Amino acid sequence: QLPLVESGGGLVKPGGSLRLSCAASGFTFSDYYITWIRQAPGKGLEWISFISYSGDSSFYADSVKGRFTMSRDNAQNSVELQMNSLRAEDTAVYYCARGVTPFSYYYALDVWGPGTSVTVSS
Amino acid sequence: EIVLTQSPGTLSLSPGERGTLSCRASQSVTSNFLAWYQQKPGQAPRLLIYGASSRATGVPDRFSGSASGTDFTLTISRLEPEDFAVYYCHQYGSSPQTFGPGTKVDMK
Repeated sequence: QLPLVESGGGLVKPGGSLRLSCAASGFTFSDYYITWIRQAPGKGLEWISFISYSGDSSFYADSVKGRFTMSRDNAQNSVELQMNSLRAEDTAVYYCARGVTPFSYYYALDVWGPGTSVTVSS
Repeated sequence: EIVLTQSPGTLSLSPGERGTLSCRASQSVTSNFLAWYQQKPGQAPRLLIYGASSRATGVPDRFSGSASGTDFTLTISRLEPEDFAVYYCHQYGSSPQTFGPGTKVDMK
């Protein structure tokens, strides 16, 4: 079983919404910040958001601020990314990832999910 | 925002050769919070190096990282066939976190 698995991707029209989930297993989920990173087709990696281990704070890239919202449920070992007002440029594979160090605001990403694909097109 | 510039864009090498990949930051990276990742087609990235020079768990010792000011280097001492991939640097010391554009290591 993979420690992180994303789901919820698919095809959505411009202006539409999608909710991605990231399910965790095999580690103490509530100890770790979780990050979302995306990768547009044939392009590099883009950090888009992270949420604290407690869920009381989250941060977003300017490209998604005001449109995307991250939340977590530590009882269910899951994180969600609510994506609204989607644009063609949001088309990408979306990865959730965990940091190397528990409780740390500063962390490299040592556990990644396999990703879920989002396509925004009419 | 810290901009990371990676060079070269593509590095063509043969198995057994040494590879040197560069990542230059547009400003100081807090506490050298700089990581390197390897990504193969269709796969998620894999963490190689964090804190500029610490190897992640399970990473072979042919991979090493170093820092000098705003210049960071990933060195692969002797390329193995499985090392042909794209490599990204990532700074996580300042918000927003940023990634470099990547260096593709391909077979000569």
